[in-house]
Amino acid sequence: GAGVSQTPSNKVTEKGKYVELRCDPISGHTALYWYRQSLGQGPEFLIYFQGTGAADDSGLPNDRFFAVRPEGSVSTLKIQRTERGDSAVYLCASSPQRRPGTEAFFGQGTRLTVV
Amino acid sequence: DQQVKQNSPSLSVQEGRISILNCDYTNSMFDYFLWYKKYPAEGPTFLISISSIKDKNEDGRFTVFLNKSAKHLSLHIVPSQPGDSAVYFCAASVKSGSEKLVFGKGTKLTVNP
Repeated sequence: GAGVSQTPSNKVTEKGKYVELRCDPISGHTALYWYRQSLGQGPEFLIYFQGTGAADDSGLPNDRFFAVRPEGSVSTLKIQRTERGDSAVYLCASSPQRRPGTEAFFGQGTRLTVV
Repeated sequence: DQQVKQNSPSLSVQEGRISILNCDYTNSMFDYFLWYKKYPAEGPTFLISISSIKDKNEDGRFTVFLNKSAKHLSLHIVPSQPGDSAVYFCAASVKSGSEKLVFGKGTKLTVNP
């Protein structure tokens, strides 16, 4: 595809449930990032993949959050035992190898609402 | 503690005039600064960046100025157009290997026709 694609665009789930959020990065981009944006805030870093491996997961808030990128392309962010405080827009971004992190291309985000 | 600060939540300017958006940072290890623009229901889109070794970068109507001694950067848009109305995020790249971005809270710019 032309850009970063995230599915679903909206997700409403009950407190305590498990959710998966998917990210399809731009083809050929080796760096992939997940960010979380709460209301009135800027995006906050969660995790960074270089290829298949999570090179930096220092932003994951706790062990309920986990992300994978098994083939170095599509990534899935997984949240267990969701809490109302997890409600936010989850953004995925990818960038080419030459300068990971700069000029990252963002998807439209998945708006997660935990009720 | 917030490492990147955008102290103005909103800014309103007249079409054709200059828009100046400000950003302050606290971490002296930042080596790259970026501005992103965000429309409602869309992801942020990259606008312009500047390396810490420079003090100015210009791209068409957009210019970013960096004052390292003051730990301050600004984005100038001239002339402003109604289509520039969006939320603007200042971001900085940490020299840590992952080059993750640290964002400010954003400034909502409204350009009035």
